[in-house]
Amino acid sequence: AQTVTQSQPEMSVQEAETVTLSCTYDTSESDYYLFWYKQPPSRQMILVIRQEAYKQQNATENRFSVNFQKAAKSFSLKISDSQLGDAAMYFCAYRSVYNNNDMRFGAGTRLTVKP
Amino acid sequence: DGGITQSPKYLFRKEGQNVTLSCEQNLNHDAMYWYRQDPGQGLRLIYYSQIVNDFQKGDIAEGYSVSREKKESFPLTVTSAQKNPTAFYLCASSRTGGGGELFFGEGSRLTVL
Repeated sequence: AQTVTQSQPEMSVQEAETVTLSCTYDTSESDYYLFWYKQPPSRQMILVIRQEAYKQQNATENRFSVNFQKAAKSFSLKISDSQLGDAAMYFCAYRSVYNNNDMRFGAGTRLTVKP
Repeated sequence: DGGITQSPKYLFRKEGQNVTLSCEQNLNHDAMYWYRQDPGQGLRLIYYSQIVNDFQKGDIAEGYSVSREKKESFPLTVTSAQKNPTAFYLCASSRTGGGGELFFGEGSRLTVL
């Protein structure tokens, strides 16, 4: 089974600065999807960004971008110009193309933004 | 607006009681999921359903039961057989196929007294 590892339980960043959250995964599949979800104090999971493994170009969504290294099985999230509202738990997730019901989550990284 | 509604948000249960968590979606999604979230851990899959009247166990199905009588609804029952039911429960839905993202409800916090 695929596993997702987030090695940073907690991170902090100064407001307006840039922070990178790490994620690695283990899979033998060649095609899959990767996601970053944000869980603010309200606890609702919100999709931040999504990456298809067959696409070489890194996904971007406004201040959020990823560094997808398929060979290294790495999928980091970069948050630029951090804002107080970015403070949350961030979860990296893997979804198989072949087993549509198999979405695996990492343990999460708690991001603190300092004013 | 389309979305997923979970209720109740907070629920207290005495040991030995069954409780049912509601999940309703109006996104017209075929697939629905229940996840459990514990502190320091990611989300773990309890049950999922790809179509009405069909569902499968996830990684931690013991002590839980579900039904899928309508496309829009996927209630989760936490039975007395669940040894450690205090947790945060998240319901999600998605289109089937294509590796699309999951859409989540706001969650239900269950506390066993």
